[in-house]
Amino acid sequence: DAGITQSPRHKVTETGTPVTLRCHQTENHRYMYWYRQDPGHGLRLIHYSYGVKDTDKGEVSDGYSVSRSKTEDFLLTLESATSSQTSVYFCAISGRAMGFYEQYFGPGTRLTVT
Amino acid sequence: GENVEQHPSTLSVQEGDSAVIKCTYSDSASNYFPWYKQELGKGPQLIIDIRSNVGEKKDQRIAVTLNKTAKHFSLHITETQPEDSAVYFCAAKENTGTASKLTFGTGTRLQVTL
Repeated sequence: DAGITQSPRHKVTETGTPVTLRCHQTENHRYMYWYRQDPGHGLRLIHYSYGVKDTDKGEVSDGYSVSRSKTEDFLLTLESATSSQTSVYFCAISGRAMGFYEQYFGPGTRLTVT
Repeated sequence: GENVEQHPSTLSVQEGDSAVIKCTYSDSASNYFPWYKQELGKGPQLIIDIRSNVGEKKDQRIAVTLNKTAKHFSLHITETQPEDSAVYFCAAKENTGTASKLTFGTGTRLQVTL
């Protein structure tokens, strides 16, 4: 998985609780991305980062926030989880060594909000 | 924003036959088109990609073609094998600089039968 780890790999939480998912890379790449995957929707971009402390919104950012205080870590936070945020979350990276465009994905985190 | 449509949603072929998956995109400025293979319980894996200045690209049994005028691109798998069974996603990159913001199709489940 191109030097990308995600934690936790599985999580069950209750509606209204805060949840933080972590993505860690060992490749020192500039760009990091968070996607969610749902049946019938493919993968949809939540937020992405183009450097330390530099982030921007994607297609489905409502209800999510992100932070990147170090090159290697990109955190996704659900401030108050809802059942509609039950999904599989994938982190991805891209950077100069990959020709910028090529994007590689982590193993995913399955989140269930009850 | 970009919109990517992918067909068919499911495809069953016999081992040794060819498989073709088609995608259309809406934004004529999109300039990079990757294909991903996702096996059960894993993250998407980049298998081949094509840039807007190229019409066709091959890598062993897989090939991708791009028709910029019609705004569609296709994945071709020849001599299919059981290990080709997976979900395949196409994507298009918005022409927004070096950040690889991808819009994905909804996926094609390919089953290769013996």
